Amino acid sequence: DQQVKQNSPSLSVQEGRISILNCDYTNSMFDYFLWYKKYPAEGPTFLISISSIKDKNEDGRFTVFLNKSAKHLSLHIVPSQPGDSAVYFCAASEGSGNTGKLIFGQGTTLQVKP
Amino acid sequence: NAGVTQTPKFQVLKTGQSMTLQCAQDMNHEYMSWYRQDPGMGLRLIHYSVGAGITDQGEVPNGYNVSRSTTEDFPLRLLSAAPSQTSVYFCASRTGPLGYTFGSGTRLTVV
Repeated sequence: DQQVKQNSPSLSVQEGRISILNCDYTNSMFDYFLWYKKYPAEGPTFLISISSIKDKNEDGRFTVFLNKSAKHLSLHIVPSQPGDSAVYFCAASEGSGNTGKLIFGQGTTLQVKP
Repeated sequence: NAGVTQTPKFQVLKTGQSMTLQCAQDMNHEYMSWYRQDPGMGLRLIHYSVGAGITDQGEVPNGYNVSRSTTEDFPLRLLSAAPSQTSVYFCASRTGPLGYTFGSGTRLTVV
């Protein structure tokens, strides 16, 4: 049973527009959420995180929104740039991220067109 | 400071062979994990460790063993390789609630 789901395998947006990547989870014990970015032939790199005590966290062009009642989080990238083209994974953890067990979604491939 | 180092980068095994994927980190991180990445499946947790001497199973542990005798090293052992274990394997480490630092991966093919 997939506890973290990214239902859109791919997303294509125009440079300068907003990219919105979505993620749903089923485990109500998850209280810490992260987004990772992955380029081909490289390991994933940490992008942004959010604790369940918040509903929004911003870092430059990247904003993560958390809707606990809907068990849904989203990553907004504004404005999108061609260099943002990559696979994006959301991930979730229990115990405020201190359990060591991080569960990932299937990933969404973002293509930003110039 | 090399971060997380995985060796080898590429490996081809025959069915039934055994091997160890090496992972080392020089950041004194407590937590280490092994993931496999397969098309359409994302990153799936194989085993993880919260400190030297402590390991636990993840989502897909069957066919893999781990041990954590030191803080720095977290090797992943395939006891008897099967074609279903063809994948890209990533090791990761972190300390506290911050995001994991991943290695560059090992691409394993079992024929």
